[in-house]
Amino acid sequence: NAGVMQNPRHLVRRRGQEARLRCSPMKGHSHVYWYRQLPEEGLKFMVYLQKENIIDESGMPKERFSAEFPKEGPSILRIQQVVRGDSAAYFCASSGGSSIQYFGAGTRLSVL
Amino acid sequence: GESVGLHLPTLSVQEGDNSIINCAYSNSASDYFIWYKQESGKGPQFIIDIRSNMDKRQGQRVTVLLNKTVKHLSLQIAATQPGDSAVYFCAENPGNAGKSTFGDGTTLTVKP
Repeated sequence: NAGVMQNPRHLVRRRGQEARLRCSPMKGHSHVYWYRQLPEEGLKFMVYLQKENIIDESGMPKERFSAEFPKEGPSILRIQQVVRGDSAAYFCASSGGSSIQYFGAGTRLSVL
Repeated sequence: GESVGLHLPTLSVQEGDNSIINCAYSNSASDYFIWYKQESGKGPQFIIDIRSNMDKRQGQRVTVLLNKTVKHLSLQIAATQPGDSAVYFCAENPGNAGKSTFGDGTTLTVKP
Protein backbone atom coordinates (compact mmCIF):
# COMPACT_ATOMS: atom_id res chain seq x y z
CA ASN A 1 0.00 0.00 0.00
CA ALA A 2 2.49 2.58 -1.20
CA GLY A 3 1.94 6.23 -0.48
CA VAL A 4 2.87 9.10 -2.72
CA MET A 5 6.18 8.30 -4.38
CA GLN A 6 8.54 11.00 -5.55
CA ASN A 7 11.82 10.59 -7.35
CA PRO A 8 14.53 11.40 -7.29
CA ARG A 9 14.86 12.32 -3.62
CA HIS A 10 17.82 14.54 -4.38
CA LEU A 11 18.64 16.19 -7.67
CA VAL A 12 21.68 18.29 -8.48
CA ARG A 13 21.73 20.42 -11.61
CA ARG A 14 24.00 23.09 -13.00
CA ARG A 15 22.60 26.42 -14.04
CA GLY A 16 20.94 26.18 -17.43
CA GLN A 17 20.16 22.47 -17.24
CA GLU A 18 16.72 20.92 -17.05
CA ALA A 19 15.22 19.32 -13.98
CA ARG A 20 12.49 16.67 -14.13
CA LEU A 21 10.71 15.71 -10.94
CA ARG A 22 8.38 12.71 -10.87
CA CYS A 23 5.41 11.94 -8.68
CA SER A 24 3.29 8.81 -8.53
CA PRO A 25 0.10 9.44 -6.55
CA MET A 26 -1.41 7.06 -4.06
CA LYS A 27 -3.31 4.18 -5.60
CA GLY A 28 -6.77 5.31 -6.62
CA HIS A 29 -5.96 9.02 -6.46
CA SER A 30 -6.41 11.10 -9.58
CA HIS A 31 -5.70 14.57 -8.13
CA VAL A 32 -2.08 15.72 -7.92
CA TYR A 33 -0.66 18.91 -6.42
CA TRP A 34 2.84 20.34 -6.53
CA TYR A 35 4.23 22.62 -3.82
CA ARG A 36 7.59 24.29 -3.36
CA GLN A 37 9.25 24.81 0.00
CA LEU A 38 12.17 27.11 0.63
CA PRO A 39 14.25 26.61 3.80
CA GLU A 40 12.51 27.78 6.97
CA GLU A 41 9.32 28.52 5.06
CA GLY A 42 5.95 26.95 4.47
CA LEU A 43 4.80 25.19 1.36
CA LYS A 44 3.78 27.36 -1.58
CA PHE A 45 1.23 25.99 -4.00
CA MET A 46 2.35 25.66 -7.59
CA VAL A 47 -0.11 23.61 -9.63
CA TYR A 48 -3.06 21.23 -9.35
CA LEU A 49 -3.68 18.58 -11.97
CA GLN A 50 -6.30 15.95 -12.50
CA LYS A 51 -5.49 13.27 -15.04
CA GLU A 52 -4.35 14.98 -18.24
CA ASN A 53 -5.83 18.32 -17.16
CA ILE A 54 -4.35 21.32 -15.39
CA ILE A 55 -7.01 22.54 -12.96
CA ASP A 56 -5.17 25.39 -11.24
CA GLU A 57 -1.72 26.69 -12.14
CA SER A 58 -1.98 29.99 -10.31
CA GLY A 59 1.25 29.31 -8.39
CA MET A 60 3.40 28.35 -11.34
CA PRO A 61 6.03 30.80 -12.56
CA LYS A 62 5.14 32.04 -16.02
CA GLU A 63 8.35 30.86 -17.62
CA ARG A 64 10.52 27.73 -17.47
CA PHE A 65 8.11 25.70 -15.33
CA SER A 66 5.60 23.19 -16.64
CA ALA A 67 3.67 20.25 -15.25
CA GLU A 68 1.81 17.32 -16.68
CA PHE A 69 -0.11 14.32 -15.45
CA PRO A 70 -0.55 11.93 -18.37
CA LYS A 71 -3.18 9.26 -18.58
CA GLU A 72 -0.52 6.65 -17.94
CA GLY A 73 2.49 7.22 -15.75
CA PRO A 74 3.56 9.68 -13.09
CA SER A 75 3.06 13.40 -12.91
CA ILE A 76 6.09 15.37 -14.05
CA LEU A 77 7.21 18.81 -12.89
CA ARG A 78 9.69 20.17 -15.38
CA ILE A 79 11.98 23.12 -14.83
CA GLN A 80 13.91 24.32 -17.83
CA GLN A 81 17.14 26.33 -17.68
CA VAL A 82 17.37 26.11 -13.91
CA VAL A 83 18.75 29.01 -11.89
CA ARG A 84 20.08 29.07 -8.33
CA GLY A 85 16.79 30.48 -7.08
CA ASP A 86 15.06 27.25 -8.11
CA SER A 87 16.91 25.40 -5.35
CA ALA A 88 14.21 24.16 -2.98
CA ALA A 89 12.29 21.12 -1.85
CA TYR A 90 9.46 20.22 -4.19
CA PHE A 91 6.61 18.24 -2.73
CA CYS A 92 3.89 16.39 -4.50
CA ALA A 93 0.57 15.54 -2.87
CA SER A 94 -2.38 13.51 -4.06
CA SER A 95 -6.00 13.18 -3.11
CA GLY A 96 -8.98 11.14 -4.12
CA GLY A 97 -11.08 14.27 -4.50
CA SER A 98 -11.40 15.28 -0.86
CA SER A 99 -9.61 18.16 0.85
CA ILE A 100 -7.10 15.86 2.56
CA GLN A 101 -3.88 15.75 0.59
CA TYR A 102 -1.26 13.10 1.18
CA PHE A 103 2.32 14.17 0.62
CA GLY A 104 5.36 12.45 -0.74
CA ALA A 105 8.82 12.76 0.81
CA GLY A 106 9.82 15.47 -1.66
CA THR A 107 12.59 16.09 -4.14
CA ARG A 108 15.38 18.36 -3.00
CA LEU A 109 16.74 20.28 -5.94
CA SER A 110 20.14 21.89 -5.70
CA VAL A 111 21.30 24.16 -8.49
CA LEU A 112 25.04 24.75 -8.67
CA GLY B 1 -5.52 37.17 -1.31
CA GLU B 2 -5.85 34.83 1.61
CA SER B 3 -3.00 34.21 3.97
CA VAL B 4 -2.41 31.88 6.82
CA GLY B 5 0.02 32.78 9.54
CA LEU B 6 1.37 31.40 12.76
CA HIS B 7 1.91 33.38 15.92
CA LEU B 8 5.27 31.93 16.95
CA PRO B 9 8.01 30.42 14.84
CA THR B 10 9.34 28.20 17.64
CA LEU B 11 7.95 26.48 20.72
CA SER B 12 9.90 24.54 23.31
CA VAL B 13 8.13 22.36 25.86
CA GLN B 14 9.07 19.81 28.47
CA GLU B 15 8.26 16.19 27.79
CA GLY B 16 4.89 15.35 29.28
CA ASP B 17 3.59 18.92 29.15
CA ASN B 18 0.81 20.03 26.85
CA SER B 19 1.65 22.05 23.73
CA ILE B 20 -0.45 24.70 22.07
CA ILE B 21 0.34 25.92 18.58
CA ASN B 22 -1.62 28.84 17.22
CA CYS B 23 -2.57 29.93 13.73
CA ALA B 24 -4.39 32.95 12.31
CA TYR B 25 -6.07 33.18 8.95
CA SER B 26 -7.38 36.15 7.02
CA ASN B 27 -9.99 34.74 4.67
CA SER B 28 -13.33 34.73 6.46
CA ALA B 29 -14.71 32.46 3.71
CA SER B 30 -12.27 29.69 4.59
CA ASP B 31 -14.20 26.48 5.03
CA TYR B 32 -11.72 23.83 5.95
CA PHE B 33 -8.53 23.77 8.00
CA ILE B 34 -5.86 21.14 8.31
CA TRP B 35 -2.88 20.68 10.60
CA TYR B 36 0.20 18.96 9.23
CA LYS B 37 3.35 17.73 10.94
CA GLN B 38 6.62 17.77 9.07
CA GLU B 39 9.65 15.97 10.41
CA SER B 40 13.11 16.77 9.16
CA GLY B 41 13.68 15.48 5.65
CA LYS B 42 10.12 14.29 5.20
CA GLY B 43 6.92 15.49 3.63
CA PRO B 44 4.02 16.96 5.62
CA GLN B 45 1.89 14.39 7.40
CA PHE B 46 -1.81 14.94 8.02
CA ILE B 47 -2.68 15.25 11.72
CA ILE B 48 -6.22 16.52 12.04
CA ASP B 49 -8.74 18.66 10.21
CA ILE B 50 -11.76 20.75 11.07
CA ARG B 51 -14.56 22.30 9.06
CA SER B 52 -15.78 25.82 9.58
CA ASN B 53 -19.10 24.60 10.99
CA MET B 54 -17.28 23.11 13.99
CA ASP B 55 -15.55 24.70 16.98
CA LYS B 56 -13.58 21.74 18.21
CA ARG B 57 -12.39 18.38 17.03
CA GLN B 58 -10.42 15.79 18.92
CA GLY B 59 -8.10 13.07 17.81
CA GLN B 60 -5.63 10.88 19.58
CA ARG B 61 -3.72 13.25 21.92
CA VAL B 62 -4.52 16.19 19.63
CA THR B 63 -7.33 18.73 19.66
CA VAL B 64 -8.01 21.48 17.18
CA LEU B 65 -10.00 24.54 18.21
CA LEU B 66 -11.49 26.97 15.74
CA ASN B 67 -12.60 30.49 16.61
CA LYS B 68 -14.24 31.98 13.54
CA THR B 69 -14.95 35.28 15.27
CA VAL B 70 -11.27 36.15 15.49
CA LYS B 71 -10.19 33.86 12.64
CA HIS B 72 -7.92 31.80 14.80
CA LEU B 73 -7.27 28.12 15.23
CA SER B 74 -5.02 26.18 17.55
CA LEU B 75 -3.55 22.73 17.81
CA GLN B 76 -3.24 21.26 21.26
CA ILE B 77 -1.02 18.25 21.86
CA ALA B 78 -1.50 16.46 25.15
CA ALA B 79 1.41 14.88 27.03
CA THR B 80 3.95 15.96 24.45
CA GLN B 81 6.54 13.35 23.57
CA PRO B 82 10.00 13.61 21.97
CA GLY B 83 8.52 12.10 18.81
CA ASP B 84 6.28 15.15 18.53
CA SER B 85 9.28 17.35 17.76
CA ALA B 86 8.69 18.66 14.24
CA VAL B 87 7.47 21.66 12.30
CA TYR B 88 3.70 22.09 12.46
CA PHE B 89 1.78 23.81 9.68
CA CYS B 90 -1.77 24.96 9.55
CA ALA B 91 -3.36 25.04 6.12
CA GLU B 92 -6.56 26.45 4.72
CA ASN B 93 -8.50 24.69 1.99
CA PRO B 94 -11.66 25.80 0.20
CA GLY B 95 -13.35 22.55 1.18
CA ASN B 96 -13.20 20.85 -2.17
CA ALA B 97 -10.28 19.26 -3.95
CA GLY B 98 -8.55 22.60 -4.51
CA LYS B 99 -5.18 23.82 -3.36
CA SER B 100 -4.22 24.26 0.27
CA THR B 101 -2.67 27.50 1.54
CA PHE B 102 0.00 26.90 4.16
CA GLY B 103 1.37 29.06 6.95
CA ASP B 104 5.10 29.28 7.59
CA GLY B 105 5.16 26.72 10.39
CA THR B 106 6.00 26.48 14.08
CA THR B 107 8.98 24.41 15.14
CA LEU B 108 8.13 22.37 18.22
CA THR B 109 11.04 21.12 20.31
CA VAL B 110 10.36 18.69 23.13
CA LYS B 111 12.94 18.66 25.91
CA PRO B 112 13.44 15.36 27.77
